[in-house]
Amino acid sequence: DAGVTQSPTHLIKTRGQHVTLRCSPISGHKSVSWYQQVLGQGPQFIFQYYEKEERGRGNFPDRFSARQFPNYSSELNVNALLLGDSALYLCASSPGQGSYGYTFGSGTRLTVV
Amino acid sequence: GQQLNQSPQSMFIQEGEDVSMNCTSSSIFNTWLWYKQDPGEGPVLLIALYKAGELTSNGRLTAQFGITRKDSFLNISASIPSDVGIYFCAGHWGGGADGLTFGKGTHLIIQP
Repeated sequence: DAGVTQSPTHLIKTRGQHVTLRCSPISGHKSVSWYQQVLGQGPQFIFQYYEKEERGRGNFPDRFSARQFPNYSSELNVNALLLGDSALYLCASSPGQGSYGYTFGSGTRLTVV
Repeated sequence: GQQLNQSPQSMFIQEGEDVSMNCTSSSIFNTWLWYKQDPGEGPVLLIALYKAGELTSNGRLTAQFGITRKDSFLNISASIPSDVGIYFCAGHWGGGADGLTFGKGTHLIIQP
């Protein structure tokens, strides 16, 4: 069975640009969460989506947005990129909102220059 | 954002030695999780703890959920080369909507 898949794996963008990252959860998982991992740090929670609705949001600016589609895949969008947005962006899926058995993807490495 | 206090930051050990690391928080959590992350990969769940005082094992790994609900530890017995990596603790308050709060990680290095 396929795990959590994220695309692209690597991305280089220029300051001020916009980026869209994509995530496909494990089949049957209805909850998707997004995390930002800066080098040398633990992941930081950005969003959780369950049944296509935002259920939780971390302490990130409004430049960050996300959505979940009917097939439970998800997109993370970041506008007006800053150098500090350079990080590994991780997607995690779980069967339900109250389930903590999160399975993480390998992430998208975003570099902003 | 908040991160849990995880120690030590790094450990240099000999193969076969036991390893111990811990995690503390100023806030209580209802769930504690331990993850391992290899280079270029996402974190992989090792052990999940759901009840204060709970002691859970997974092979050579043992973890405990502190009685105060503000701490947890992870032990690895008889370390082997594939144990190398970064270990993260993570706490969750509950309700499913607030995400996981992670520590900064313990980098485990095994010397030959």
